[in-house]
Amino acid sequence: LAKTTQPISMDSYEGQEVNITCSHNNIATNDYITWYQQFPSQGPRFIIQGYKTKVTNEVASLFIPADRKSSTLSLPRVSLSDTAVYYCLVGRGMNSGYSTLTFGKGTMLLVSP
Amino acid sequence: DTGVSQDPRHKITKRGQNVTFRCDPISEHNRLYWYRQTLGQGPEFLTYFQNEAQLEKSRLLSDRFSAERPKGSFSTLEIQRTEQGDSAMYLCASSRQGKEKLFFGSGTQLSVL
Repeated sequence: LAKTTQPISMDSYEGQEVNITCSHNNIATNDYITWYQQFPSQGPRFIIQGYKTKVTNEVASLFIPADRKSSTLSLPRVSLSDTAVYYCLVGRGMNSGYSTLTFGKGTMLLVSP
Repeated sequence: DTGVSQDPRHKITKRGQNVTFRCDPISEHNRLYWYRQTLGQGPEFLTYFQNEAQLEKSRLLSDRFSAERPKGSFSTLEIQRTEQGDSAMYLCASSRQGKEKLFFGSGTQLSVL
């Protein structure tokens, strides 16, 4: 399983764009990159998933360069409610055998007024 | 989609006692995962089921831990002879086969005194 490296914490202000970068140098060819958000006393919640280039949904964008050794989660115009821990995971993709997703320590994002 | 349900939300027990947790996954999901999370750490994978088959167990899962998913629907995680080091949040997640998007429950917080 590819190991991921993320900043331990980040600070931002309401209305700003936040970019959290994750390094995964040992990513395998069929690995997908997935980001989760976790609030205290809750289970992680899926944010976005991608394989290459750019993926966008209603809450975030995911940028993956051609070598796929890193990825950047972009949160546009954050609000106080975006204060949470964000995890980057790398794991086997669809139609593979069984898979496990390994969480690191994540990035604690603190959004201030 | 009623989400992943875990019961109980909180459990306090004395060292040496046995405890059992239950997880009800999203009904159409055939994959079910158990994770453990301690304060300040990301969730750690414990075990994984596809339907009723337990396909993978982490080395973290000592012989005091056992998980079942007898009919491929709900799952139970039992810890025998609990130790203080077992104190953690136990998270259950489910997914469709071929989709690496995990849906997590809110977890069971175990405190071993």
